[in-house]
Amino acid sequence: DTEVTQTPKHLVMGMTNKKSLKCEQHMGHRAMYWYKQKAKKPPELMFVYSYEKLSINESVPSRFSPECPNSSLLNLHLHALQPEDSALYLCASSQDETDSYEQYFGPGTRLTVT
Amino acid sequence: SQELEQSPQSLIVQEGKNLTINCTSSKTLYGLYWYKQKYGEGLIFLMMLQKGGEEKSHEKITAKLDEKKQQSSLHITASQPSHAGIYLCGADGAAGNKLTFGGGTRVLVKP
Repeated sequence: DTEVTQTPKHLVMGMTNKKSLKCEQHMGHRAMYWYKQKAKKPPELMFVYSYEKLSINESVPSRFSPECPNSSLLNLHLHALQPEDSALYLCASSQDETDSYEQYFGPGTRLTVT
Repeated sequence: SQELEQSPQSLIVQEGKNLTINCTSSKTLYGLYWYKQKYGEGLIFLMMLQKGGEEKSHEKITAKLDEKKQQSSLHITASQPSHAGIYLCGADGAAGNKLTFGGGTRVLVKP
């Protein structure tokens, strides 16, 4: 099974809402990633979790809060977002963070902030 | 930070024709990845290249890594409509599996 699943597929939220994005993998990967992709742009790394600990935060605003409850799950909690945060949010996982391993991506959650 | 430049930005090919996409890095390449993305969907892993001169193939897609030139190329032979999409190259940093992506190449295959 080389699948990474993400829910929901689409999300529309107001600027005062609190919502969460979920990501799951069952490949035994110990590194998980959140990327943000704006239209016609490449994905940009937001966070990296390695062995369930936050390893990299690419200076992401605090209105985005990641969480890794266990080795298979990765959440992204959203609060007080801005319209410019509307984008495709992609989750990925890889065997490890410390060396070159292929990252497997989920289908993404398309977020619209109104 | 590492920058990856892809060329061309977009191309339209007739079905059955070959095409080549290039990816050039501003820094040393430790791992070079090729992904394909359909609009609004996740990225599909195609290939990973690590050693200079390495060449890998998957079905009709071949990728090569020229370590000295800090460059990789992706070649599709006898293109099919199923090859349409956005091709992205990604590269590792020296600190490990932290991917930076090129701007992408949008491929359209005309039947």
